[in-house]
Amino acid sequence: EAGVAQSPRYKIIEKRQSVAFWCNPISGHATLYWYQQILGQGPKLLIQFQNNGVVDDSQLPKDRFSAERLKGVDSTLKIQPAKLEDSAVYLCASSLAVGGFSGNTIYFGEGSWLTVV
Amino acid sequence: AQRVTQPEKLLSVFKGAPVELKCNYSYSGSPELFWYVQYSRQRLQLLLRHISRESIKGFTADLNKGETSFHLKKPFAQEEDSAMYYCALSSQGYQGGSEKLVFGKGTKLTVNP
Repeated sequence: EAGVAQSPRYKIIEKRQSVAFWCNPISGHATLYWYQQILGQGPKLLIQFQNNGVVDDSQLPKDRFSAERLKGVDSTLKIQPAKLEDSAVYLCASSLAVGGFSGNTIYFGEGSWLTVV
Repeated sequence: AQRVTQPEKLLSVFKGAPVELKCNYSYSGSPELFWYVQYSRQRLQLLLRHISRESIKGFTADLNKGETSFHLKKPFAQEEDSAMYYCALSSQGYQGGSEKLVFGKGTKLTVNP
């Protein structure tokens, strides 16, 4: 089966510019996650969707980050304006999980590498 | 608050030697623990989860609730085991609802020939 697809793979922008990342989860996966992984650290959850609804966005810096999953499939993560500390890998992940059932494997994409200069 | 600690940033062993990657967690509920692995130039992928109680690629991990640990072990390391290993905790546990993972900072394992 096809994995989680992300684009672009690499992006370099200047601070205060904007950037958008796209994710296509595995077909049929109800839950979609965006994680931020800064160099030398483990992934940190930014936002979690179940279908097209937000389940958890408590760690999303909402003054500059936004994400949507309008039709419950693809998702876009946007950063505007970017700061130097946003340099990281942005990982999209998905799982079958539908509310009330746990135990599904979470599958990760290859990540989108962002460098803010 | 949920927290996962991997005390070793780097671990280097020789081929054929035993290896243990340490993981400690902090969680007030009933935890579900995982090990994820990232080989060079590949995506993060699930290695094993404690509820499965299985051995994957010769690795095992036992959940010790008393010590709040979930160490990853392999009796005889192979060069192809060289990778980044992340311990992760699911904050939903068995309670249902969509899971989300809290990760440790990772341990880079190098297996030397």
